[in-house]
Amino acid sequence: GAVVSQHPSRVICKSGTSVKIECRSLDFQATTMFWYRQFPKKSLMLMATSNEGSKATYEQGVEKDKFLINHASLTLSTLTVTSAHPEDSSFYICSAILLAANIQYFGAGTRLSVL
Amino acid sequence: ELKVEQNPLFLSMQEGKNYTIYCNYSTTSDRLYWYRQDPGKSLESLFVLLSNGAVKQEGRLMASLDTKARLSTLHITAAVHDLSATYFCAVASQETSGSRLTFGEGTQLTVNP
Repeated sequence: GAVVSQHPSRVICKSGTSVKIECRSLDFQATTMFWYRQFPKKSLMLMATSNEGSKATYEQGVEKDKFLINHASLTLSTLTVTSAHPEDSSFYICSAILLAANIQYFGAGTRLSVL
Repeated sequence: ELKVEQNPLFLSMQEGKNYTIYCNYSTTSDRLYWYRQDPGKSLESLFVLLSNGAVKQEGRLMASLDTKARLSTLHITAAVHDLSATYFCAVASQETSGSRLTFGEGTQLTVNP
């Protein structure tokens, strides 16, 4: 079964609205989670590293005010796409590290479509 | 900056044939991962390779790691249609946070009957 739960799996919204995506680690605590963006037929691009209890670390070129990350507990990180526009349409994937196994598990992904 | 290159990017093969996907990376690493992604889906973990010479096998897939050459291979034996997917390698760099992964471009595999 899934060890990382991501919700929602699909979002269609109007331009200018904000969208929140949740990423939960199931049955384990994750002090660090990651948020990726994937364009069609492309690889995963790391957007930011989400650290429990502290500010997220963003990759170069990723707008902090556009993609708000909150990691308020050891099992939950959220990504909020603020004032979404059509160019934000993409597949967003989160991941969490199970340290005992040294494996990064991925959520099912969220397909965001901004009209 | 860590760079990860996969080849080939596209692979079309017949069922029953063997083939190898290559993953080269540019800096020292102590962990390399292989993932599978089906269309519209997220990533499924296949292998974690932690040391030089590591070899892991699961079904028709076998992965190996040569840290001196900075090369990992994913070998497919007697391919079947169900293996059609995109395969990514990802490398954790020792020079950055050990958990941060850099992904290759992915290899889109199509197995034809």
